[in-house]
Amino acid sequence: DAGITQSPRHKVTETGTPVTLRCHQTENHRYMYWYRQDPGHGLRLIHYSYGVKDTDKGEVSDGYSVSRSKTEDFLLTLESATSSQTSVYFCATNNGVGGELFFGEGSRLTVL
Amino acid sequence: EDKVVQSPLSLVVHEGDTVTLNCSYEVTNFRSLLWYKQEKKAPTFLFMLTSSGIEKKSGRLSSILDKKELFSILNITATQTGDSAIYLCAVEDNAGNMLTFGGGTRLMVKP
Repeated sequence: DAGITQSPRHKVTETGTPVTLRCHQTENHRYMYWYRQDPGHGLRLIHYSYGVKDTDKGEVSDGYSVSRSKTEDFLLTLESATSSQTSVYFCATNNGVGGELFFGEGSRLTVL
Repeated sequence: EDKVVQSPLSLVVHEGDTVTLNCSYEVTNFRSLLWYKQEKKAPTFLFMLTSSGIEKKSGRLSSILDKKELFSILNITATQTGDSAIYLCAVEDNAGNMLTFGGGTRLMVKP
């Protein structure tokens, strides 16, 4: 296991409220990713980071922002949550060598 | 834009059956194709394929890549109920360190 923990693991919130999901890794991996998983869509990349303060957009970045102030932490923020952001969010990491990703346990977000 | 399509979407078999899962892809500069198994929580890595025609094998699971026809298959022989999961295929290109995932195949193995 790559020692990836996500918090919170479950959250229910209301439309319009801000939400922050945290990903913490203990493996000193350079790359960190946030994916969302929805039925029929597999995993879709939201944002990723290739180093401290270095981030870039993925396929479905609208409505999300990220920050990486330390190697071990990667935060995903929904500034104003919408019902379409109800999903399971996965954090993943790797060291950029080969394609294998190591995943966290997922965070289930419900926006009412 | 990279694209990965998996088929079938779902599959129900009985223990002992052999199954073949399909993954076709379009990617600008192919680097590798990966298979993951997802049970209740996080996806876990199965195989990474980079070369065409070379089979990767792990127990009852095997996978092969055809870079000319742009697809891969994942075979599971003598299926067991513990093989029930979503199987995800992903491709990596040389442009960046990102994976593009397919929609997954949900496999259910009945006793």
